[in-house]
Amino acid sequence: GAVVSQHPSWVICKSGTSVKIECRSLDFQATTMFWYRQFPKQSLMLMATSNEGSKATYEQGVEKDKFLINHASLTLSTLTVTSAHPEDSSFYICSARDTGSNTEAFFGQGTRLTVV
Amino acid sequence: SQQGEEDPQALSIQEGENATMNCSYKTSINNLQWYRQNSGRGLVHLILIRSNEREKHSGRLRVTLDTSKKSSSLLITASRAADTASYFCATDRSGNTPLVFGKGTRLSVIA
Repeated sequence: GAVVSQHPSWVICKSGTSVKIECRSLDFQATTMFWYRQFPKQSLMLMATSNEGSKATYEQGVEKDKFLINHASLTLSTLTVTSAHPEDSSFYICSARDTGSNTEAFFGQGTRLTVV
Repeated sequence: SQQGEEDPQALSIQEGENATMNCSYKTSINNLQWYRQNSGRGLVHLILIRSNEREKHSGRLRVTLDTSKKSSSLLITASRAADTASYFCATDRSGNTPLVFGKGTRLSVIA
């Protein structure tokens, strides 16, 4: 089945630094990828829709200057958490769907970000 | 914003019993999917049911969909301790739109 690879699986960074998370679709092309954030014991909240070759679409309340999304190719989207603060500590998960396919969405393994 | 609401929020059962989780959503959907998530881990896709389907089976899983009531249920039969996890329903409006997740049900299966 289709695979989405997310890297790194966990990262610890200092306050004020930036962290980049990569999301790759390994055996299919994805013009659209999605980024979610999940706090402990809560559900997944959609942060933004990443569009290949164009600007990302952010959900209400998500700061686009803080969470930079780049979707430079049909198989790679990146999320950069800039000037990270402890409250940004969370589980970040990306998702991709085979373009135009009415099938399940595939999820990366998630990235556990801890800002100290 | 959250699309779906699951109930119960938490469920604790004995091994061998059946577990039923319900999900309600607010708008029209393309399909509905159920996922499992073990603590601190990624999502595992369980089953997809399309808006024109009413019931689907996969192993010990049975999913129903009632579009008139905008609700779905997930039944896990003969539960095992390994079924302990959080279960989420997720809906979308088309193949290119993001999945919107419900709040989830935390299932504990006691051996």
